[in-house]
Amino acid sequence: GENVEQHPSTLSVQEGDSAVIKCTYSDSASNYFPWYKQELGKGPQLIIDIRSNVGEKKDQRIAVTLNKTAKHFSLHITETQPEDSAVYFCAATPNTGNQFYFGTGTSLTVIP
Amino acid sequence: DAGVIQSPRHEVTEMGQEVTLRCKPISGHNSLFWYRQTMMRGLELLIYFNNNVPIDDSGMPEDRFSAKMPNASFSTLKIQPSEPRDSAVYFCASSPRTGKGYTFGSGTRLTVV
Repeated sequence: GENVEQHPSTLSVQEGDSAVIKCTYSDSASNYFPWYKQELGKGPQLIIDIRSNVGEKKDQRIAVTLNKTAKHFSLHITETQPEDSAVYFCAATPNTGNQFYFGTGTSLTVIP
Repeated sequence: DAGVIQSPRHEVTEMGQEVTLRCKPISGHNSLFWYRQTMMRGLELLIYFNNNVPIDDSGMPEDRFSAKMPNASFSTLKIQPSEPRDSAVYFCASSPRTGKGYTFGSGTRLTVV
């Protein structure tokens, strides 16, 4: 099955700086890569996703890049704010109707 | 849309008791997933259903765990008998056949004492 690795496990940045979280996957059949944000006491929430026919996608301060050849994808958050502090999960799947394979999560702390 | 609805939000029970967690997926979503989250093991897939049919239950820890989806709008996860090591946050998620990814519920925090 698919194996998704995520780094780093913890990340601290100063407010206003950028944060980058990286994930690798093993199954070349995976073609959908969502990112989830989980705040304390809440369920994970989809924040951005990318499909394998696209190399980059941006939504305001958040962007995701995908390198299919190298089988890795990354989340970029610019101009970080304290409310960005949360645990972020990457995932990969060959089919959105099937199970997602999640990374182990990155705890991001934005220091005011 | 009210999203994925889970109940109860918190459950505290004594070891050996039966626990039933409930989930109402988003209307029109074809797939439903049960996950368990702990600090040690992260998000673990327990079981998932497509069109109310269980597809993969290989993540169910042991026979004490069972899940049902009697119709498209309701699913249960049952633990009988419960043990302290079952303490975790249990999430239900649903997704359409194509399109966007999962939508998670708010979770049920289970504590077995």
